[in-house]
Amino acid sequence: SQTIHQWPATLVQPVGSPLSLECTVEGTSNPNLYWYRQAAGRGLQLLFYSVGIGQISSEVPQNLSASRPQDRQFILSSKKLLLSDSGFYLCAIYPDRNYGYTFGSGTRLTVV
Amino acid sequence: SQQGEEDPQALSIQEGENATMNCSYKTSINNLQWYRQNSGRGLVHLILIRSNEREKHSGRLRVTLDTSKKSSSLLITASRAADTASYFCATENSGNTPLVFGKGTRLSVIA
Repeated sequence: SQTIHQWPATLVQPVGSPLSLECTVEGTSNPNLYWYRQAAGRGLQLLFYSVGIGQISSEVPQNLSASRPQDRQFILSSKKLLLSDSGFYLCAIYPDRNYGYTFGSGTRLTVV
Repeated sequence: SQQGEEDPQALSIQEGENATMNCSYKTSINNLQWYRQNSGRGLVHLILIRSNEREKHSGRLRVTLDTSKKSSSLLITASRAADTASYFCATENSGNTPLVFGKGTRLSVIA
């Protein structure tokens, strides 16, 4: 079965500081990978997705970027965080179209 | 952008009662999925129903899909306190397009 590792679990960063969130996957190869963000008490907003190494699709223009340097590694970055970047960031894979997404445990980011 | 809209936004019931949550969407879909999220955790997939299916069961869960009305419902029977969570519907529109999630229904089951 697939396992998603996300770290850190929580992060408090000052405005203007850089960000790097990492997601790694075990138990599958060439998965579709996704970054979602969830504001407090809200639904999920798709940020980026990738169907292969080096292939990134951006859904929301903002100061965030994503990269997929390896098949099972997905990185979310920012050069300068904004207060509005606060939220719960979730990485997900879609290993089986007969089933559904598998989500990581998430990173709660607070920008202060 | 959000396609699915869950109704109600919040639901509070007594243990043992049934809980029904509804989801409406706007465009044609390949499938519709329901997820559960415990507070502060990642989402867990519950059930997937394809556009050519009308009803699906999994344990105490029953999902219906009405493509003519672009709506789905999730029924949890004989609810337990452990069912307390937020429930989200998500739609897959076509091919490799990512899931689009609704805003969720927050269910509280009181023991």
